[in-house]
Amino acid sequence: ETGVTQSPTHLIKTRGQQVTLRCSSQSGHNTVSWYQQALGQGPQFIFQYYREEENGRGNFPPRFSGLQFPNYSSELNVNALELDDSALYLCASSRQGANTGELFFGEGSRLTVL
Amino acid sequence: DAKTTQPNSMESNEEEPVHLPCNHSTISGTDYIHWYRQLPSQGPEYVIHGLTSNVNNRMASLAIAEDRKSSTLILHRATLRDAAVYYCILRDTGTASKLTFGTGTRLQVTL
Repeated sequence: ETGVTQSPTHLIKTRGQQVTLRCSSQSGHNTVSWYQQALGQGPQFIFQYYREEENGRGNFPPRFSGLQFPNYSSELNVNALELDDSALYLCASSRQGANTGELFFGEGSRLTVL
Repeated sequence: DAKTTQPNSMESNEEEPVHLPCNHSTISGTDYIHWYRQLPSQGPEYVIHGLTSNVNNRMASLAIAEDRKSSTLILHRATLRDAAVYYCILRDTGTASKLTFGTGTRLQVTL
């Protein structure tokens, strides 16, 4: 059973650019959620995808968008990057409706915006 | 979302038990109490969860107060590998994947 994998692990962008981060969910998991973790803070929920549709969103502007593919992998896209977007972006997968509600997190993609 | 309150940091000696407290006075009847931990340079890792009764697993024990307004994560024998930030979270059952993290408790374990 493979775990959650994210790519790239590190990347540097400049203000105004766009970025795409990728996530492969754990085998058998059909739900993917994304979190943003600023330095010294706990992760903040961005949104969740289930059956290729967004079905929950945190307090993030529309320039944060995502996709989920038929194989349950996912992308996070951020347009018009701002300096405050510098953070660790975490992907988590789970089985919708699973009683435990346990999320399995990847190691994250660290984005630096200059 | 219901909120939790945890101490910013705690210290423990290796091989000793550690009790990590969490207050959640506004918990609702259907909120589960979840604990995750985050080791340095890694994503969060599930530790344990419970609703009303105390819970045990291979990693830890969770003691839940009778009124459910507080809980305690118990690591029975702390090791250096347990040094991490521990998050106490009330699960939003409306969006099953939405976990509202606070700033957690940074646990330091020393020899």
